Amino acid sequence: GEDVEQSLFLSVREGDSSVINCTYTDSSSTYLYWYKQEPGAGLQLLTYIFSNMDMKQDQRLTVLLNKKDKHLSLRIADTQTGDSAIYFCAESYNNNDMRFGAGTRLTVKP
Amino acid sequence: EPEVTQTPSHQVTQMGQEVILRCVPISNHLYFYWYRQILGQKVEFLVSFYNNEISEKSEIFDDQFSVERPDGSNFTLKIRSTKLEDSAMYFCASSYRDRDSPLHFGNGTRLTVT
Repeated sequence: GEDVEQSLFLSVREGDSSVINCTYTDSSSTYLYWYKQEPGAGLQLLTYIFSNMDMKQDQRLTVLLNKKDKHLSLRIADTQTGDSAIYFCAESYNNNDMRFGAGTRLTVKP
Repeated sequence: EPEVTQTPSHQVTQMGQEVILRCVPISNHLYFYWYRQILGQKVEFLVSFYNNEISEKSEIFDDQFSVERPDGSNFTLKIRSTKLEDSAMYFCASSYRDRDSPLHFGNGTRLTVT
């Protein structure tokens, strides 16, 4: 069935770039999203990309979409300790129901 | 920036009791959702709501669950006869449109059933 997969852990040094990868299976997805969850907090929308785009940049964030391979990535430039969180990839299906990945826990070491 | 707010942040209840989780969506949003995240598992869709009725629901959303928009601002999730396995983080979300506007989530209510 349809699923969203992402690696569970990523560790980087402060100042480096982080790249979080995600694969999805539903080719009819219209939007793909990245959400950030800090400890004890909700799901904060970071960015999203329409399925007919292949790249979107927003300050330190770059989203790349390879629709042929159903691969989505989030690059965080100049990663800071405050970026430590769980990052969820999600795809929309039906009207706007969403399917989430399990989340990637990003740890930023000073 | 407008936010989705959820209350309470943590709810503890005994098995068999009924709970109501409350949400105030962003004021000009028209579509409302509930998701849940069991500890260590994925965020799962429960239900979507538009124009005072359920538009989609998942297999999880059985007769034990109901949603309501009792007034112009609140959106509630009622869980009747709670079970231990209902323990989870419940997230409310809202969006302005359906297909082309992102969901904005609240901070969640952690439900613990003992």
